Amino acid sequence: DGGITQSPKYLFRKEGQNVTLSCEQNLNHDAMYWYRQDPGQGLRLIYYSQIVNDFQKGDIAEGYSVSREKKESFPLTVTSAQKNPTAFYLCASSISVAANEQFFGPGTRLTVL
Amino acid sequence: QKEVEQDPGPLSVPEGAIVSLNCTYSNSAFQYFMWYRQYSRKGPELLMYTYSSGNKEDGRFTAQVDKSSKYISLFIRDSQPSDSATYLCAMSEGAQKLVFGQGTRLTINP
Repeated sequence: DGGITQSPKYLFRKEGQNVTLSCEQNLNHDAMYWYRQDPGQGLRLIYYSQIVNDFQKGDIAEGYSVSREKKESFPLTVTSAQKNPTAFYLCASSISVAANEQFFGPGTRLTVL
Repeated sequence: QKEVEQDPGPLSVPEGAIVSLNCTYSNSAFQYFMWYRQYSRKGPELLMYTYSSGNKEDGRFTAQVDKSSKYISLFIRDSQPSDSATYLCAMSEGAQKLVFGQGTRLTINP
């Protein structure tokens, strides 16, 4: 089945720790995205990548980092610099950044203890 | 003022009712409009995709875009309990990032 997978589904982090969220897609999409969703709020863009080895900051990139070493994979690291990291994190992909239809993974819920 | 405004609800209607969900926006350059459905603790699922003004129908769902009023709507006919979810509108200028509304939480009561 083609799709986007995210792992883990739930993640707990102690304050001061970095954690990495995994996102993999087998849709052969060039573009990938990371969003953050807080209760009662829409999705806010953290980072996006148009092609391998290239990525751009979104609206709320501070405290986050990404890499795109393979077309299929776009991991997100939440660093200790992110002041309020507890949220639902969603990965998405599209055929290209020019294509407006984005397809989402199931999400990772990160909780800081 | 947010670029995209969406009433967060919650909205509760009886089974079989017609549901109307709406978003307004301020950026007249938006050309592509989407509706996503998101079940609790799941990722959003693309429901409807429209370009520019007009209507698009898919089964029980109809998406309407009125660019002159900067207003989009999603209608659900013969609503079912399985339609209970949060509905997010999203829009873009084209080859640009998507801008999302905050989502409307909908409950269909049997």
